[in-house]
Amino acid sequence: RKEVEQDPGPFNVPEGATVAFNCTYSNSASQSFFWYRQDCRKEPKLLMSVYSSGNEDGRFTAQLNRASQYISLLIRDSKLSDSATYLCVVNSPSSGGSYIPTFGRGTSLIVHP
Amino acid sequence: DAGVIQSPRHEVTEMGQEVTLRCKPISGHNSLFWYRQTMMRGLELLIYFNNNVPIDDSGMPEDRFSAKMPNASFSTLKIQPSEPRDSAVYFCASTPGQVAYEQYFGPGTRLTVT
Repeated sequence: RKEVEQDPGPFNVPEGATVAFNCTYSNSASQSFFWYRQDCRKEPKLLMSVYSSGNEDGRFTAQLNRASQYISLLIRDSKLSDSATYLCVVNSPSSGGSYIPTFGRGTSLIVHP
Repeated sequence: DAGVIQSPRHEVTEMGQEVTLRCKPISGHNSLFWYRQTMMRGLELLIYFNNNVPIDDSGMPEDRFSAKMPNASFSTLKIQPSEPRDSAVYFCASTPGQVAYEQYFGPGTRLTVT
């Protein structure tokens, strides 16, 4: 089982739609959680951190469910410019004892007119 | 302010050649990460430095890969000898603290080994 799993999609949605992505992780000792966005042939960039209480940034809402070991990202009122790949990141203890980031494979979102 | 700088941006080399990728982290950041991204495997962490010291290199695929960070403003990732399966985009990222912080990625080096 992979440490961090995401549905690769693509999610193909019309402008204005609401879309949600989930990301599951296998290590219950995982700590920090993040969502990154990656545009085609570009580097990943932080979209938002994910806090235990859930957090919102404009049209984006992130939530963490420790009991079920998943994080989610909700995008409301989708824009054409939201088309990208969304990567979840989980910081988990490595075999050496330090916490290291593990990226999911990403979920592709296509927003069409 | 300049972000993370990587060079070269593109590298095409023949199998068996040595390849050196370079990274300059953001000034003041004390953690640096090297990643490899392929369609098949996604984004994989290769090695992580904190205060110029390698903290975790469990992701380095094999002895052909080596990384150094001689000072706070420079790191290299070397592949010797290179193989076609090393073809990928290699990203460098830095953070102001340790892994709990936002990572700032460089533009990447697209490596093709023929």
